[in-house]
Amino acid sequence: DAMVIQNPRYQVTQFGKPVTLSCSQTLNHNVMYWYQQKSSQAPKLLFHYYDKDFNNEADTPDNFQSRRPNTSFCFLDIRSPGLGDAAMYLCATSKAGTANSPLHFGNGTRLTVT
Amino acid sequence: AQSVAQPEDQVNVAEGNPLTVKCTYSVSGNPYLFWYVQYPNRGLQFLLKYITGDNLVKGSYGFEAEFNKSQTSFHLKKPSALVSDSALYFCAVRDGGGGFKTIFGAGTRLFVKA
Repeated sequence: DAMVIQNPRYQVTQFGKPVTLSCSQTLNHNVMYWYQQKSSQAPKLLFHYYDKDFNNEADTPDNFQSRRPNTSFCFLDIRSPGLGDAAMYLCATSKAGTANSPLHFGNGTRLTVT
Repeated sequence: AQSVAQPEDQVNVAEGNPLTVKCTYSVSGNPYLFWYVQYPNRGLQFLLKYITGDNLVKGSYGFEAEFNKSQTSFHLKKPSALVSDSALYFCAVRDGGGGFKTIFGAGTRLFVKA
């Protein structure tokens, strides 16, 4: 089945220690997104890629970076995690070209910062 | 600017009874509306989307949604609730101007009691 896969499911890092979260997709979708979700709140968009075109949300902290080396993979880098960055991080994809194309989510990576 | 509101933090319903989860929206153009469901420690799953011209939209797992343009609402419904429907439900709106940003409501937790 075509899907969005996030690794690892759970990640523990230390305060200030860089961490990378991974996402891969077999849907061949142009657009990939990273969302942050805290405590069952609404997911908050951090940034998205349309093909190789990177689009950062205005309120995304500089501490968060992303890479998309090819269509299938996308990475979220947190350069110096703080305690406030503990959250569920969700990767999603969608087809470009139609505004009613739904998002396809992975199962998320739950990040703990100690 | 697009926005979406879910006025209920929680909805309780007995198994077998009909359920409604409310959503109202504000958009500056054609509405691109979605419902997603989230089970514990999982990503969001797409349930259904509004398609222009269809006021009653049918989706996955027996869910449907009623679009009402005059009331700017897109309520999620199911004729007969199951215990397994207990989850967190998000209403969402997409920027219809060619953008890729999906804005989520705060979420409504549905409890179905046996």
